[in-house]
Amino acid sequence: GAVVSQHPSRVICKSGTSVKIECRSLDFQATTMFWYRQFPKQSLMLMATSNEGSKATYEQGVEKDKFLINHASLTLSTLTVTSAHPEDSSFYICSAGGDGYTFGSGTRLTVV
Amino acid sequence: SQQGEEDPQALSIQEGENATMNCSYKTSINNLQWYRQNSGRGLVHLILIRSNEREKHSGRLRVTLDTSKKSSSLLITASRAADTASYFCATARLYNQGGKLIFGQGTELSVKP
Repeated sequence: GAVVSQHPSRVICKSGTSVKIECRSLDFQATTMFWYRQFPKQSLMLMATSNEGSKATYEQGVEKDKFLINHASLTLSTLTVTSAHPEDSSFYICSAGGDGYTFGSGTRLTVV
Repeated sequence: SQQGEEDPQALSIQEGENATMNCSYKTSINNLQWYRQNSGRGLVHLILIRSNEREKHSGRLRVTLDTSKKSSSLLITASRAADTASYFCATARLYNQGGKLIFGQGTELSVKP
């Protein structure tokens, strides 16, 4: 079946630095990938839709300059959290696949 | 809010009992899915039910969908301690944008041995 790999699984960074998270489709091509954020004990909130070869589409309230998305190939989308602050600490998870229903294993970001 | 509602928010049962979780949503949908998430981990896709289906089974899972009430239920029969996890429903809207999902608030299930 379809496999989506997400890296890193955990990252701790200092306030003000940037962090890049990768989402790869391992055995299929994905023209579209999705990025979600999940705060502790809460549900997943869609942040943006990543489109291969074009600009990402951001959900209302998500700062595009803070959460940079690049989908430069059919198997890789990256989410960069720029100038990270403690309030950006969260679980970030991507999905891909023709129906978008295969999820990566998530990245736990802690900003200190 | 884009989120749907799930109830209960938390459910604690004994091994062998059945667990029922409910989900309500707000918009017309193409399909509804249930996912499982172990603590701090990724999501596992459990089952998908299309808007023209009313019930679907997969092993110990039974899902129902009532589009007139905009609600769904997930039944896990003969629960096991390994079923302990959070369960989320997610809807793909009608004229879905290729995989964009709206998640419910989730139910935290605890199955005690």
